[in-house]
Amino acid sequence: EADIYQTPRYLVIGTGKKITLECSQTMGHDKMYWYQQDPGMELHLIHYSYGVNSTEKGDLSSESTVSRIRTEHFPLTLESARPSHTSQYLCASSSPRTTNEKLFFGSGTQLSVL
Amino acid sequence: KNQVEQSPQSLIILEGKNCTLQCNYTVSPFSNLRWYKQDTGRGPVSLTIMTFSENTKSNGRYTATLDADTKQSSLHITASQLSDSASYICVVSDRGSTLGRLYFGRGTQLTVWP
Repeated sequence: EADIYQTPRYLVIGTGKKITLECSQTMGHDKMYWYQQDPGMELHLIHYSYGVNSTEKGDLSSESTVSRIRTEHFPLTLESARPSHTSQYLCASSSPRTTNEKLFFGSGTQLSVL
Repeated sequence: KNQVEQSPQSLIILEGKNCTLQCNYTVSPFSNLRWYKQDTGRGPVSLTIMTFSENTKSNGRYTATLDADTKQSSLHITASQLSDSASYICVVSDRGSTLGRLYFGRGTQLTVWP
């Protein structure tokens, strides 16, 4: 059972609002990731972090930002939400100390921007 | 271009029947191949991870095979249950840093009918 939590599970907001999606893990993993997934499509990496104060942009161009002030916490922020941001956002974590570096996912946040 | 292609896109089977899902990849160099199960509205959960030297791995009623020469993998589900209804995602990792770069397939949507 993965100990990685995302809140909220569902979020419906209006265009132009600022939002923060929360992600926390209690496994002590150094690496954390944010993926975006649309229905029937593959996951796309939008941000990742290899540890505290480390953040990098992923493959998919994103207008979001992330921070990693604590090992267990990796929030994602959208300064001004738009309808094109409607999607499912998945947070994940991993540790190089585990065999084959298994990736653990949270349950996701389904974001709808009206 | 590194890609992961899965087939079929969707599959409907009756409870108790077996099925096989396919994954072809062009990722090179190759490090490992993972199968994930993703229930609707949830994050993916790891089923199996296979490295270059492994050609089969089981996890309960799930058996994954890998042919690194032809760059093909399959996931066989035995005696399907209603709870097997989900999207099954093939993920390939290239070599390099730990965890490397992950390439995701679009998944096969499996529906098990009673």
